[in-house]
Amino acid sequence: KQEVTQIPAALSVPEGENLVLNCSFTDSAIYNLQWFRQDPGKGLTSLLLIQSSQREQTSGRLNASLDKSSGRSTLYIAASQPGDSATYLCAVMGNAGNMLTFGGGTRLMVKP
Amino acid sequence: GAGVSQSPSNKVTEKGKDVELRCDPISGHTALYWYRQSLGQGLEFLIYFQGNSAPDKSGLPSDRFSAERTGGSVSTLTIQRTQQEDSAVYLCASSFRLGSGFSYNYGYTFGSGTRLTVV
Repeated sequence: KQEVTQIPAALSVPEGENLVLNCSFTDSAIYNLQWFRQDPGKGLTSLLLIQSSQREQTSGRLNASLDKSSGRSTLYIAASQPGDSATYLCAVMGNAGNMLTFGGGTRLMVKP
Repeated sequence: GAGVSQSPSNKVTEKGKDVELRCDPISGHTALYWYRQSLGQGLEFLIYFQGNSAPDKSGLPSDRFSAERTGGSVSTLTIQRTQQEDSAVYLCASSFRLGSGFSYNYGYTFGSGTRLTVV
């Protein structure tokens, strides 16, 4: 059974700092990996999707990498802003393609 | 529509009552998923619909939970005889799937969820 772990569970940084969120998964037989953002009381917003054949994806200040063989992904946020404060969720889809397995999330707070 | 729409956004119900939660996926999306997010917990998979195939119900926690998808579009999640432990945010997502794979440019799109409180 796939298990997804995110470290740290919570992170507080001053504005402007670059930061890295970590995600690890136990079964490397994945179809893709997706990073989401969740604001309090809201649904999930997709940030980046990395196919299993890819190494990284970039969108603006966000860069996500994938090392499938070691079961790891990182989300890099450059020049963090208070508006980046949210919970960031990592999720993997297995090769059966039926569902996403989510990590527990990293709760990020960026202080002005 | 432009996004995944869920209704109601909030529902308070008495223990023992039945509730229905609705999801309108993005038009043209063939795959629809229900997840549950309990307070302080991660997202828990409930059920998955893909086209006309039989749904994957492997995540439903008990036989009080059921879901259907009519006409390959709107889905309803029904919880019978609600219990306090059913209190959670129920999230619906849709995706566009081609054959055995997923379209490169599309991951999941989630709705804003229904917050269910059983009192």
